[in-house]
Amino acid sequence: GENVEQHPSTLSVQEGDSAVIKCTYSDSASNYFPWYKQELGKRPQLIIDIRSNVGEKKDQRIAVTLNKTAKHFSLHITETQPEDSAVYFCAATYNNNDMRFGAGTRLTVKP
Amino acid sequence: NAGVMQNPRHLVRRRGQEARLRCSPMKGHSHVYWYRQLPEEGLKFMVYLQKENIIDESGMPKERFSAEFPKEGPSILRIQQVVRGDSAAYFCASSPYGGNDGTQYFGPGTRLTVL
Repeated sequence: GENVEQHPSTLSVQEGDSAVIKCTYSDSASNYFPWYKQELGKRPQLIIDIRSNVGEKKDQRIAVTLNKTAKHFSLHITETQPEDSAVYFCAATYNNNDMRFGAGTRLTVKP
Repeated sequence: NAGVMQNPRHLVRRRGQEARLRCSPMKGHSHVYWYRQLPEEGLKFMVYLQKENIIDESGMPKERFSAEFPKEGPSILRIQQVVRGDSAAYFCASSPYGGNDGTQYFGPGTRLTVL
């Protein structure tokens, strides 16, 4: 089945620095890659997504890049703020039907 | 347009009892997904349903667990004869389209505690 690997599992940065989270996937048919942010005790919230016909997408301080050949995609957060602290999950569609998630990255932004 | 609704938000059951979790998708969404999340862990896919059909249940344990999404009413995840290891947060997500076209929107989750 689809295997989505996510690294690192924890990431601590200083406020204002950048944070990068990387994911790889195994299903070459995957063509939709969302990223979710989950704060403690809350639901996962979609923050950005990318489709396979696009190599990069940006929304203010958040950007996602996709390399279909290498089957990896990354989340970039610039000018991090304490409110960016959360667990971030990448995901990739699988078998044209549903989605598989990475194990998550706990991001801590220190003021 | 209300978001994805789940109830109850918290559910306590004793070992051997049944747990019934409900998910009402967003209006206009006919695709529902159930995930399980253990503390400090990721989202594990359980089952994907469309109205009246189970599309993929490969992530759901073969015994004690079942899911349905009837023509009318919410999707139900049912766990029979619960055990302590079933304690987790169960999230459902809905999508207007399935598969590669479908952004999934999550409900608030049901936190199941088995005593």
